[in-house]
Order: sequence, then structure tokens, then C-alpha cells
Amino acid sequence: DAGVTQSPTHLIKTRGQQVTLRCSPKSGHDTVSWYQQALGQGPQFIFQYYEEEERQRGNFPDRFSGHQFPNYSSELNVNALLLGDSALYLCASSAPGTGKFNGYTFGSGTRLTVV
Amino acid sequence: DAKTTQPNSMESNEEEPVHLPCNHSTISGTDYIHWYRQLPSQGPEYVIHGLTSNVNNRMASLAIAEDRKSSTLILHRATLRDAAVYYCILSNFGNEKLTFGTGTRLTIIP
Repeated sequence: DAGVTQSPTHLIKTRGQQVTLRCSPKSGHDTVSWYQQALGQGPQFIFQYYEEEERQRGNFPDRFSGHQFPNYSSELNVNALLLGDSALYLCASSAPGTGKFNGYTFGSGTRLTVV
Repeated sequence: DAKTTQPNSMESNEEEPVHLPCNHSTISGTDYIHWYRQLPSQGPEYVIHGLTSNVNNRMASLAIAEDRKSSTLILHRATLRDAAVYYCILSNFGNEKLTFGTGTRLTIIP
């Protein structure tokens, strides 16, 4: 049973560019959350998607946006990249929408480096 | 969001039990206690969660104080693969987002 799949695993972008990160949730999961993890810190919640709508949002600027598709997969977009956006971006899926919550399943993340 | 307090680091000998403490004195009645761990170069991994009663699963046990202001994650027999950062998190299922702190870095001594 495949877990959460994220792509790409690594990428390097230049300041001011835009980036799109992708996430496929675990089979049977319908809710996707995104987290940003800076080096040496715990993950910080960016936003959560359920039924193709943003359900919750953390304290991140509008440069961070997302989307969820009918197949539950999700994208995270970051515009006008800053050096401070360099981090590990984690996707987590869960199935609270179906009432079968048994923890979030995290992917291994995308390591974004902004130069 | 209610906060949790954990020791920055702990060490334990291999094949011995490990008790990881967490204080959450401002927990609300609807907050669940979650534990996740993060191995090097990986995303966090769900360990266990509970509300009021002690919980057991194949990975660990969660002991919750009667007043719910503290909890303890118990690894019954530590292995080298258990070396990780362990996060204790409060989450209201109606809210569902996870607010991570800095966690406890567990080192297992062979």
C-alpha cells in the first residue's frame, strides 16, 4: 500500500521564481495538509485541503497557495520565492472526512533550496 | 493552540524501556494527545494518540495522567531504529491541524 508520494524530492530555485510541489495522498485518504520545516525546527502548518477547498490556513503569506484535485492529490505553489522559503516541504494525508482518523501519514518531503 | 513542553533530549540504552514525558497543563477537554516521531531525512511518522484513557498499539503505549495535564510515551524495548525526534502534540479533531514544537531528540545507546 503506497503511502504519501511527493515530487520532486529536491529542487533548486532562484529568488523571485515560482515553484509547484506535488503530493499524492495515501490510498483511502481524502484530506491533505502541507507543512514547512526549516532546518532544526519542527514542521509548521501551511494549510489543509478537503473536498477541493482550503479548510484551514496557518500563518503564511498569500504567496503560498494550493489546490486539491478530484482524485485528492494536491499542489503547493509558492510565488516570488525568498531565500527564507528554503526548507523541507511536507505533505500529510488523513481520512478525517470519512471518520476513520488513525493519524496523519507524512511523505518524505521536497527539499527546496532558494538561491 | 494549547502548548506542550518536552525535554530537549534524552538517552536510553538499547533493549530497555523508554519513558518520554510531555506536559500540557493548558489542555482543553476536546484536545487529543498525539505523538509523532521523525527519523533523520524522513517525514514525521504517526506513533499513537489518545484522549483520556491509556492507549496501546504495536509501536508504543501512551499513559495519560488523570487530570490530563501530562502524558508519557512508553517504548517498551528500545532499538537503534527508535532514535528520532519525538513530538508531543495537542490537536482538537474539530481543528485537526498539528502544531509541532521542537520535540525530544532520543538517542539510543548500543
